Amino acid sequence: AQSVTQPDIHITVSEGASLELRCNYSYGATPYLFWYVQSPGQGLQLLLKYFSGDTLVQGIKGFEAEFKRSQSSFNLRKPSVHWSDAAEYFCAVGRMDSSYKLIFGSGTRLLVRP
Amino acid sequence: EAEVAQSPRYKITEKSQAVAFWCDPISGHATLYWYRQILGQGPELLVQFQDESVVDDSQLPKDRFSAERLKGVDSTLKIQPAELGDSAMYLCASSLTAGAPAVGTQYFGPGTRLLVL
Repeated sequence: AQSVTQPDIHITVSEGASLELRCNYSYGATPYLFWYVQSPGQGLQLLLKYFSGDTLVQGIKGFEAEFKRSQSSFNLRKPSVHWSDAAEYFCAVGRMDSSYKLIFGSGTRLLVRP
Repeated sequence: EAEVAQSPRYKITEKSQAVAFWCDPISGHATLYWYRQILGQGPELLVQFQDESVVDDSQLPKDRFSAERLKGVDSTLKIQPAELGDSAMYLCASSLTAGAPAVGTQYFGPGTRLLVL
């Protein structure tokens, strides 16, 4: 069965430091991959998505992610974290079932030290 | 900027009571989704509409949950009777269409946080 794994429940980084959030997926075909961010008490906002082509994708708020088929990974990165980046981050894979749907990972909560 | 609207934002109810949540998608969006997000987990799809038709409700507990989108615009999700395990965030999302790659471009509302006592 298709699945998404985010192995880190919490990550704490200092403001200005670099960030990498891990995401691994299990999917037979070429996946559609996404990263969403959720601030406390809010809905989800799409950061970036990968469908095909260049495996390094740029998103909003200075985030990028790299698709690595050999590792079944789609890790999210940011070179310099800001305090406002503190939130929960979800990786998701789009799959075709009875309809196209998103399967989400369990999320990684990012804490930013001043 | 157009947004997905949801109400209420918070709901406290007692078990065995009925609750209802409302969602108004972005204008022109044909596809509407209801998700349940349990604390500490990612969202899980409950039901998906294409216009007024249900295209996927495989994860909807149909003995107590119902959803409708009568005119293909706004939607209501109902739980009757509510159980303690229903405490969660209920998120609504919409997209222009249901096909890939538009499937990923879902716009989410702020959610309704339900607490069942």
